[in-house]
Amino acid sequence: GENVEQHPSTLSVQEGDSAVIKCTYSDSASNYFPWYKQELGKRPQLIIDIRSNVGEKKDQRIAVTLNKTAKHFSLHITETQPEDSAVYFCAARIPSYSGGGADGLTFGKGTHLIIQP
Amino acid sequence: NAGVTQTPKFRVLKTGQSMTLLCAQDMNHEYMYWYRQDPGMGLRLIHYSVGEGTTAKGEVPDGYNVSRLKKQNFLLGLESAAPSQTSVYFCASSYTPGRGNDQPQHFGDGTRLSIL
Repeated sequence: GENVEQHPSTLSVQEGDSAVIKCTYSDSASNYFPWYKQELGKRPQLIIDIRSNVGEKKDQRIAVTLNKTAKHFSLHITETQPEDSAVYFCAARIPSYSGGGADGLTFGKGTHLIIQP
Repeated sequence: NAGVTQTPKFRVLKTGQSMTLLCAQDMNHEYMYWYRQDPGMGLRLIHYSVGEGTTAKGEVPDGYNVSRLKKQNFLLGLESAAPSQTSVYFCASSYTPGRGNDQPQHFGDGTRLSIL
C-alpha cells in the first residue's frame, strides 16, 4: 500500500514570510495529491490539489509542486497571514484501476503551521 | 445542498456499549469513507464503500462494522466500544459518475467519541 511521510510536524514562521511543507510518497502508481487545511475542531478542507500530469499549480498565495521522479510534493504558502495558522495534511491517491480501493487517500500525519505576529 | 452531514456530533460511551454513527450526503456521490483522526496520526481509513450495498475494509477496520443500504447513507457501527476507539470520526464522500475520476473527497464536520 501507499505510505506518505510529511515534514515538518510543526512549522513556525513570521507573518509575511513564506512557509513550505514537504511530503514524500512510496507508490509510483499514485496520481492525485490533495492538500487539506484543518482548523481546530473543524473538518479538513481541500485547499489545493495536483495531478500527476502536472508539475506545479498555483492559486493566489498557495502553490503545490510535484516531482514524480523523486516521489515528493510540496505546499508553498507565500505572504503568510494569521488566518493561515492551522494543521495542514498532504495525501496521495492510488487510482482504483491500479489497486487503490475506491481511489482511497493515504494521509500524512500533518503539519501544525503557526504564524507569529 | 448540505454536503456531508454526520450525526451525532458528540457522544460519550461506556466500555462495552454499542452505537452507530450516521453519515449522509446529498451530492449523489458513489464513494463514501469513514476515517478516524487521533493526535499525531493524521486520518486513517476504517472502511469505505464504492456504492450502495458494497463495503470494504480500510487500514484500521478492526472493531468496526459498516453498512450502505442506501446510496446517500453510510453507517459506522461499534458493537462493543473500547477506550482505544476514543477518537474523532470523519465521514467523506466523492465521485459522481460521468464527471471524471479525479474528484476530491468532501468531509463532514466529524463526530467526537469518548469511550470511558
